[in-house]
Amino acid sequence: DAGVIQSPRHEVTEMGQEVTLRCKPISGHNSLFWYRQTMMRGLELLIYFNNNVPIDDSGMPEDRFSAKMPNASFSTLKIQPSEPRDSAVYFCASSPFGTGTYEQYFGPGTRLTVT
Amino acid sequence: GENVEQHPSTLSVQEGDSAVIKCTYSDSASNYFPWYKQELGKRPQLIIDIRSNVGEKKDQRIAVTLNKTAKHFSLHITETQPEDSAVYFCAANTGTASKLTFGTGTRLQVTL
Repeated sequence: DAGVIQSPRHEVTEMGQEVTLRCKPISGHNSLFWYRQTMMRGLELLIYFNNNVPIDDSGMPEDRFSAKMPNASFSTLKIQPSEPRDSAVYFCASSPFGTGTYEQYFGPGTRLTVT
Repeated sequence: GENVEQHPSTLSVQEGDSAVIKCTYSDSASNYFPWYKQELGKRPQLIIDIRSNVGEKKDQRIAVTLNKTAKHFSLHITETQPEDSAVYFCAANTGTASKLTFGTGTRLQVTL
């Protein structure tokens, strides 16, 4: 199993540009989570999906952030327009929730730098 | 919503000593409590977890205890080694959902 796959691994962009982060969950997992990690705020849940449906997006900081999961094997997190304060490591995680287990497995993360 | 507090924020122990990290949670409906280890520049990795119907779970040098009445759970690492140096996060699910709320992390340093 390849685990959770994220791309790109590093992204450097200028303020005002659109950024799209991508995630492929572990095959068979039906829950997907997007987290943001910074020194100041720690590990924050942004949004999560069950069976491709957004369940809780209360952690999305503002309208500049949006997330989609068009199918069971792909999700995107988009920031438009990006700002320097969006600089962070963004993790995607997946879980086989619904099978009696809650374990979440994290991808390698995308380190975003907005200048 | 769920609130998870974690202490201490930093912990330094000598190699071979034990380390204990403690967490409290607020939602009495929470029933799943994982611990993650994150090495510098790496992803958080699940190292052990416990369900609310169990009071203690062990896996080699690590163990987790849960006190549902007091709403707290702890990670115990025995015979610490330099490779145990990392940031450790506790978490609790929200009710019976898959959503996790993470603690603020404990930076463990194991010195020779």
